[in-house]
Amino acid sequence: DGGITQSPKYLFRKEGQNVTLSCEQNLNHDAMYWYRQDPGQGLRLIYYSQIVNDFQKGDIAEGYSVSREKKESFPLTVTSAQKNPTAFYLCASSRTRLSGNTIYFGEGSWLTVV
Amino acid sequence: RKEVEQDPGPFNVPEGATVAFNCTYSNSASQSFFWYRQDCRKEPKLLMSVYSSGNEDGRFTAQLNRASQYISLLIRDSKLSDSATYLCVVTAPKAYYGNNRLAFGKGNQVVVIP
Repeated sequence: DGGITQSPKYLFRKEGQNVTLSCEQNLNHDAMYWYRQDPGQGLRLIYYSQIVNDFQKGDIAEGYSVSREKKESFPLTVTSAQKNPTAFYLCASSRTRLSGNTIYFGEGSWLTVV
Repeated sequence: RKEVEQDPGPFNVPEGATVAFNCTYSNSASQSFFWYRQDCRKEPKLLMSVYSSGNEDGRFTAQLNRASQYISLLIRDSKLSDSATYLCVVTAPKAYYGNNRLAFGKGNQVVVIP
């Protein structure tokens, strides 16, 4: 089945550790995105990538890093610099970067700092 | 003013009743509009795009009012399975070199009561 796979679904991190969330898509989409959702809040854009080997900061990029070495993959690293990392992280993709293209989401990753 | 605003509710709806809610957006240049459904602790899933002429999909009807800058969603004959949070999504015409930059509302929570 075509879709977006995120892993792990649940992750616990100790303070001061970096963690990486995986996102893989087999939809042949050019654009990929990372969002963060906090309870009762809307989605906020962390990073996005329109094409391989290129990515742009979103609204809340501080404390996060990404790479886009392959079209299918867009991993997100939550670094120790991110002060409040506990949240629901959603990876998404769309066919192209053009406005109006539908965005599809992975099932999400729950990150908790302990 | 926030880019996208929704009344979080909850909207408690008797089974079989009709419920409607609006979403206002701040930028008159916004071009694409969507309704997504998000179940508790799950990823958002596209419910329907919103076209200028309005559109209907079964029991769901979406409307766009550009003059007053809002979109609406109406659910007829509510089912228990309609209980979810409905996210309003608007293309934010921000000047990134790429586009498809989306702004998400916090969602309208709908609870259908037996």
